[in-house]
This record gives sequence, structure tokens and C-alpha cells, in this order.
Amino acid sequence: AQTVTQSQPEMSVQEAETVTLSCTYDTSESNYYLFWYKQPPSRQMILVIRQEAYKQQNATENRFSVNFQKAAKSFSLKISDSQLGDTAMYFCAFIAYNNNDMRFGAGTRLTVKP
Amino acid sequence: DGGITQSPKYLFRKEGQNVTLSCEQNLNHDAMYWYRQDPGQGLRLIYYSQIVNDFQKGDIAEGYSVSREKKESFPLTVTSAQKNPTAFYLCASSIGEGTQYFGPGTRLTVL
Repeated sequence: AQTVTQSQPEMSVQEAETVTLSCTYDTSESNYYLFWYKQPPSRQMILVIRQEAYKQQNATENRFSVNFQKAAKSFSLKISDSQLGDTAMYFCAFIAYNNNDMRFGAGTRLTVKP
Repeated sequence: DGGITQSPKYLFRKEGQNVTLSCEQNLNHDAMYWYRQDPGQGLRLIYYSQIVNDFQKGDIAEGYSVSREKKESFPLTVTSAQKNPTAFYLCASSIGEGTQYFGPGTRLTVL
């Protein structure tokens, strides 16, 4: 069974600075997707970034980028130039190819301070 | 304007009642999902459906039931057999390439 671990329950960062959220996962699959979702106080789950395991290049979306280390089964999220609107819960998620069972970590609560 | 809608936003249930949570999508996605979120935890899969008239149990299906009569709709019924139903419920859909898109959620509270 796949498991996803986020070891940082809470983090804080000053506005305009950079922060990195950690995620590790355990799987015997070789083909899979990894995601970071953001859940602001409204509780809507919003896709931040997605990585396909076969791609060596790390995904980037504007101020958000990942460091995907397949051998280490690590998938961290870097937020650059943090903004107050980045304050939210962040969930790391895993799903194997041709599978419907998406696994989520317990989440990291990020607070951006002015 | 494509998306996923869930209703109601807040729902209150008395002991012994069944309640139904609505989920509708106009994204033309084949797959739909129901998740439960408890405080301080990630999402746990209740049920999913890949096509109309077919659905599969997730990790925590006991006390819940679903139907998939139309591609656009995937309602979840929380039955009286679910002993601790107070939670936040999220519906999602997927085109089948891994990414799931979520609705705004329903908060269910047992009175």
C-alpha cells in the first residue's frame, strides 16, 4: 500500500521569503503522479502543481516549484516570494497510473506573516 | 463555466437520519470520487466511480452509499449506520490522467 508522509505539521514564513515543504512517499510502483494541493480557509482543494514520475525535470508553476527525488521517494514544494494569500494547508498526494486511489499526506499548515 | 458543485454547503443531521450530499460536474469527466476529511487529517476515500452505473468502495465505505445514474452526478448518502459522520466531505472528478479536481465541499454535523 502507498503511504504519504508530511513531517512538518506547521510552518511559517515571512512575506516575500522562500519556504520549502517536505513530503516523502512509499510505493512499489514505478509509474505514478505526485501532486501538491492547497486548501485555504475556504476549504476548497486547489491544485498547485503536478509531477509525473517518469519525467526527470522538476515541475514549476510560477512561484511554485518541486524537488522530485525518485530514488529517495521525496517530493518537496518550494514557494518563492511568499504572499499572504499562500496561507493555507498544503497536502502532498500520490496516485499510481491506471489507479483511482489517491493517497494524501496529513498536511502542513503554512502561515505567511506580514 | 466548467466546474464541480456540491450542495448544501452546511448540513445538519439528527441521530438515525439518512442524509444525501449532492455532487454535480460539467467537466465531462468520467471518474468521480467522494472523500472525507477530519480535523488534522488528510483526505480518505469513501467511494469512487469510473463510469455510469458502476462504483467501487474506498477505504471507509461503511455507513455510506452512492449512485451514478448520470455522468454528471454522483450523490453520497450518509446512512444511520455511519456512527461518526461529522466531517467535511469533498467530491472530486478526473478525466483519467491522475489529476483530481475538487468541489467546494459540504460540512456535515450531527446534532
